[in-house]
Amino acid sequence: GAVVSQHPSWVICKSGTSVKIECRSLDFQATTMFWYRQFPKQSLMLMATSNEGSKATYEQGVEKDKFLINHASLTLSTLTVTSAHPEDSSFYICSARGGGWNTEAFFGQGTRLTVV
Amino acid sequence: TQLLEQSPQFLSIQEGENLTVYCNSSSVFSSLQWYRQEPGEGPVLLVTVVTGGEVKKLKRLTFQFGDARKDSSLHITAAQPGDTGLYLCAGPGEAGGTSYGKLTFGQGTILTVHP
Repeated sequence: GAVVSQHPSWVICKSGTSVKIECRSLDFQATTMFWYRQFPKQSLMLMATSNEGSKATYEQGVEKDKFLINHASLTLSTLTVTSAHPEDSSFYICSARGGGWNTEAFFGQGTRLTVV
Repeated sequence: TQLLEQSPQFLSIQEGENLTVYCNSSSVFSSLQWYRQEPGEGPVLLVTVVTGGEVKKLKRLTFQFGDARKDSSLHITAAQPGDTGLYLCAGPGEAGGTSYGKLTFGQGTILTVHP
């Protein structure tokens, strides 16, 4: 399958600071990327959908001003957690898919964010 | 949003035992997927089932899609410690969607297989 890479794999930041997480498709062009959030021993919850060159679509209850998503190129989407607080500590996972209605989405390895 | 109910949430068994994980919904899904996730990693796709009544096998894993396309099951035969992980079912996140778009996930089943 195709490779999707996230960076960093883990990050610890101080409360009030901002953190940027990158999601890259390494061997295909990702027209759409999805950002999920996962709390310990829980399932994945979709946060937002981003299409290259356009604004992200956020799921209900997700603050778009807090979780800034940029999908400026076909191989890179970024999620910035602004003014992070301890309750933002979570595992953030992206998935990416190429063009066409029947192309599978591939998941990155996730980023563990800890806000102290 | 279409919801998926997964059960059980936790399974702790001995090596060699069989187990079944269930994924149910009141909605009809065009397809369902099963993923396995290990701690600190992203989920890895195991299978996609598309046709009602479909059965797919992946070595010791058997996946079934209900006739009405509202439920699915994952059966593992002779479980091994290497099967330990979080198993997730997932389907299109909105009615009319596909498994290639945004996904809704079941709550997950944490499987632990003891040697």
